[in-house]
Amino acid sequence: AQSVAQPEDQVNVAEGNPLTVKCTYSVSGNPYLFWYVQYPNRGLQFLLKYITGDNLVKGSYGFEAEFNKSQTSFHLKKPSALVSDSALYFCAVPNPGGYNKLIFGAGTRLAVHP
Amino acid sequence: NAGVTQTPKFRILKIGQSMTLQCTQDMNHNYMYWYRQDPGMGLKLIYYSVGAGITDKGEVPNGYNVSRSTTEDFPLRLELAAPSQTSVYFCASSQGQGSYEQYFGPGTRLTVT
Repeated sequence: AQSVAQPEDQVNVAEGNPLTVKCTYSVSGNPYLFWYVQYPNRGLQFLLKYITGDNLVKGSYGFEAEFNKSQTSFHLKKPSALVSDSALYFCAVPNPGGYNKLIFGAGTRLAVHP
Repeated sequence: NAGVTQTPKFRILKIGQSMTLQCTQDMNHNYMYWYRQDPGMGLKLIYYSVGAGITDKGEVPNGYNVSRSTTEDFPLRLELAAPSQTSVYFCASSQGQGSYEQYFGPGTRLTVT
């Protein structure tokens, strides 16, 4: 069965420091992997996706994600965190039922402190 | 484009009442979805639709109904509201098969007391 796990409920980072939000996956076949962000009182927004190709994927707002097949991970990274990056981050994989349905992780709350 | 819009933003229901959550998208997307978001649980798919007149159940459909009479609109109906339906509800839409990028509305925060 397809699934994703986000092992950290919350990540705390000082502004200007690099950040990492972790995601591990379990899929059959070649993985399609996604990151979404939810700012306070807003709906989710698409950040980036890995379908195939380079293991380092660049997305919106300066975020990138590193695909690691041997570790079945897809960690979200940013070299220098901003206070405005504080949000809830979700990793996702496709639902085998098709129709662009997604299976979301439980989410990781990122808090960036000034 | 307004994207995906949802109304109302907030609602308090008494146990046993019914209501409809409205969702409209102006991107001409065929696929639409309803999710509920509970703290620490991520998003759970309630119902989805692949086009006007076609709907299907997701992971947690009990207590809900949907319809899709037009491409733009995908209302979610709660019958006989229960405290377990207290949640934040999100509507989303997506383009054709394989795009996986879903566009979300701002959500409806529902409390059932």
